[in-house]
Amino acid sequence: DTAVSQTPKYLVTQMGNDKSIKCEQNLGHDTMYWYKQDSKKFLKIMFSYNNKELIINETVPNRFSPKSPDKAHLNLHINSLELGDSAVYFCASRIQGARTEAFFGQGTRLTVV
Amino acid sequence: LAKTTQPISMDSYEGQEVNITCSHNNIATNDYITWYQQFPSQGPRFIIQGYKTKVTNEVASLFIPADRKSSTLSLPRVSLSDTAVYYCLVGDAVNTGTASKLTFGTGTRLQVTL
Repeated sequence: DTAVSQTPKYLVTQMGNDKSIKCEQNLGHDTMYWYKQDSKKFLKIMFSYNNKELIINETVPNRFSPKSPDKAHLNLHINSLELGDSAVYFCASRIQGARTEAFFGQGTRLTVV
Repeated sequence: LAKTTQPISMDSYEGQEVNITCSHNNIATNDYITWYQQFPSQGPRFIIQGYKTKVTNEVASLFIPADRKSSTLSLPRVSLSDTAVYYCLVGDAVNTGTASKLTFGTGTRLQVTL
């Protein structure tokens, strides 16, 4: 059983398109994250949700909109894709407020052409 | 959040012990030290976490001196499969008021060869 699963694993799309990445965790965690890893391999946090409520919103363009329909899901929708959006996007989950580890998905490699 | 500094890269031969040191001079009293490992094309994976002194699990050991301004991840007898990027994170993992950002630094790229 995959703990944190993301779909799709690969996504190639043209500039200007709108796309979504889905994330689901079956660990019963209450906090989920979206991270972006660029070509230089820096991992930057984008958003965090706790019990479906947005907790962390880093300096991310408004074209990125996370949505959490329930505690087990955190989706990322991106409007008007740009070349600079090309990166690997990781979803993660953990239990909030405890000394616990975060579990990461396998990543979604987004390529904007 | 305390900033961390690690070597950008390290090389090792298979079978050697590898020690990766992380500096975190501004670590706060409530901060814990956590290490993650990331293989190519995979998400980061938790390795070990500690607060002070020494912590050991089946994968690694974590040494933290009394002043807690640095920590050392020790990997005993590395193999080729330990080639990965290792991240040191410092943060308040027990704060119930706000979400931990899990701020990743640049990490240390470990290359293990025969």
